[in-house]
Amino acid sequence: EAQVTQNPRYLITVTGKKLTVTCSQNMNHEYMSWYRQDPGLGLRQIYYSMNVEVTDKGDVPEGYKVSRKEKRNFPLILESPSPNQTSLYFCASSTGTSGRGEQYFGPGTRLTVT
Amino acid sequence: EDKVVQSPLSLVVHEGDTVTLNCSYEVTNFRSLLWYKQEKKAPTFLFMLTSSGIEKKSGRLSSILDKKELFSILNITATQTGDSAVYLCAGQGAQKLVFGQGTRLTINP
Repeated sequence: EAQVTQNPRYLITVTGKKLTVTCSQNMNHEYMSWYRQDPGLGLRQIYYSMNVEVTDKGDVPEGYKVSRKEKRNFPLILESPSPNQTSLYFCASSTGTSGRGEQYFGPGTRLTVT
Repeated sequence: EDKVVQSPLSLVVHEGDTVTLNCSYEVTNFRSLLWYKQEKKAPTFLFMLTSSGIEKKSGRLSSILDKKELFSILNITATQTGDSAVYLCAGQGAQKLVFGQGTRLTINP
């Protein structure tokens, strides 16, 4: 089944404790992206990747890192999480080059930083 | 700065009504406009619009894009309680997708 998977689905952590949210897709998509969703603000792009070893900042990259060492995986790293990073996070991959076309979303990761 | 604005932010109607959701956009190097439906989980794809004036339909849902006026509408006819959700529109630029805040649609029986 074609899908985007994320882990963990739920995470409660403390300020400053490094964490990684994994994202994997099995559709051989070149473009992958991370979003955060907050009430009243919609989905905002954090980082995106157009291909292996090619990543770029979205609209809200501060406090996040990403890597794209393999085509299927695009982990999101929070080196020193803070409470303002409490949010619902979605990973997505796209059928089109440069992100054009339908984006397939993962199930989401709800992160709480205390 | 790129932006996508949806209206209304919230809408409550009765089952059977027809609704129109609005989306205006200002996106650099605009390529397409996408609509998604989000229930209590990840957004699911509805439509992608690239050409002005060509309506896309899927059952009771339809959508159209006006590239001159920079807006799109999503119509839902004969609404059902299962249509209750947040509807998101997004403008696709050269490399990124910019989302609106969403319209929360509630269908009362």
